[in-house]
Amino acid sequence: LAKTTQPISMDSYEGQEVNITCSHNNIATNDYITWYQQFPSQGPRFIIQGYKTKVTNEVASLFIPADRKSSTLSLPRVSLSDTAVYYCLVVGDDKIIFGKGTRLHILP
Amino acid sequence: DVKVTQSSRYLVKRTGEKVFLECVQDMDHENMFWYRQDPGLGLRLIYFSYDVKMKEKGDIPEGYSVSREKKERFSLILESASTNQTSMYLCASRRPGTSYEQYFGPGTRLTVT
Repeated sequence: LAKTTQPISMDSYEGQEVNITCSHNNIATNDYITWYQQFPSQGPRFIIQGYKTKVTNEVASLFIPADRKSSTLSLPRVSLSDTAVYYCLVVGDDKIIFGKGTRLHILP
Repeated sequence: DVKVTQSSRYLVKRTGEKVFLECVQDMDHENMFWYRQDPGLGLRLIYFSYDVKMKEKGDIPEGYSVSREKKERFSLILESASTNQTSMYLCASRRPGTSYEQYFGPGTRLTVT
């Protein structure tokens, strides 16, 4: 069963680029990788989804190497409002594997 | 704007009570999910439903049941609440297809005393 592992917490400063890496060694061929953001007292919010190589949207980029055993969420030029918990998920038609989340703290 | 609502933000129940947590979505999504969230454990999937009257066990179904009589509504039932079911409960919905994006409700913080 695919399992995801991510750092428990990270600190960064406003204006910096932040990269959060998730490992998922047992990812299956048909699985996708998605990332969510969660603020206190709210439900998680979808950020980005990818299968391989690089995906970019208006919020973030997602880098997935050829072996797909890991992925990296990249947040460009973070601000204080990006302080949140970020979850990496492996998803397939019959599975949803949430990581334990990375608590990102942005400092002024 | 898409919306998932949960019947209560905060709920306090006594041990042994039967508890109903309701979730409603207005997006005509086929798939719906119930998770619980605990500190240090992240989100864990309890049950999910692919469509009306369908249900599948997630990773931690023990002590819970679900009901999906209408497409927009997915109920989580604690048959006999116990203190170890004190948690944040989150409901989500998803339209099956090429995107695995789930839309989450705000959560219900349940305390069982």
